[in-house]
Amino acid sequence: EVVMAQSPATLSVSPGERATLSCRASQNININLAWYQQKPGQVPRLLIYGASFRATGVPDRFTGSGSGTDFTLTISSLQSEDIAVYYCQQYDNRPPYTFGQGTKLDI
Amino acid sequence: QVQLQQWGAGLLKPSETLSITCAVYEGSFSGYQWSWIRQPPGKGLEWIGEINQSGSTNSNPSLQSRVTIQVDRSKNQFSLHLRSVTAADTAVYYCARGRGNIKRGKYYVWFDSWGQGTLVTVSS
Repeated sequence: EVVMAQSPATLSVSPGERATLSCRASQNININLAWYQQKPGQVPRLLIYGASFRATGVPDRFTGSGSGTDFTLTISSLQSEDIAVYYCQQYDNRPPYTFGQGTKLDI
Repeated sequence: QVQLQQWGAGLLKPSETLSITCAVYEGSFSGYQWSWIRQPPGKGLEWIGEINQSGSTNSNPSLQSRVTIQVDRSKNQFSLHLRSVTAADTAVYYCARGRGNIKRGKYYVWFDSWGQGTLVTVSS
């Protein structure tokens, strides 16, 4: 099973600043990584797939990068609506698909 | 715009069987993998298993012995059955569409549409 580790667990950023979230896989997953946003009380929403491709309707302030074992989600100019927990998910080696434990983004 | 609508019993006693059904509307049922994912209160996401239109399934080894996933192609529905539940199975259960590609017979999917979630509580 591929273990996904996200850091930090909690990130506090001021509005307008850049937020950088990290995700590390326990083995090479190429670019088979997705990012999700889950706002309080809501269903997870796909943000990024293929490590760097934005899903439909995702603002361009969200950028995914990385390959192999190290990945980053960058939010270029934080908005109050970006308050959420962010999860990464690998789909290279399955079953099972595995998720990181999440990064909680606070403003 | 595909919509996933799910339903099932919300309160179970230990040893009972959890059953949730997910219906797919406004979208093709074929060409995708259909998954179940759960989230214990205040915790992260755990993939349970998947099925495709032909009925081929995969499940998480940690749950495999208790999980059955079925498909009803005539209704564009798929269902989850989890046997012998305990308090550790208390969670919000989501159905989700797995979208991606196939290379050399292997699926590579991410989850682009989700059901609204069903909170299942296991308590005596």
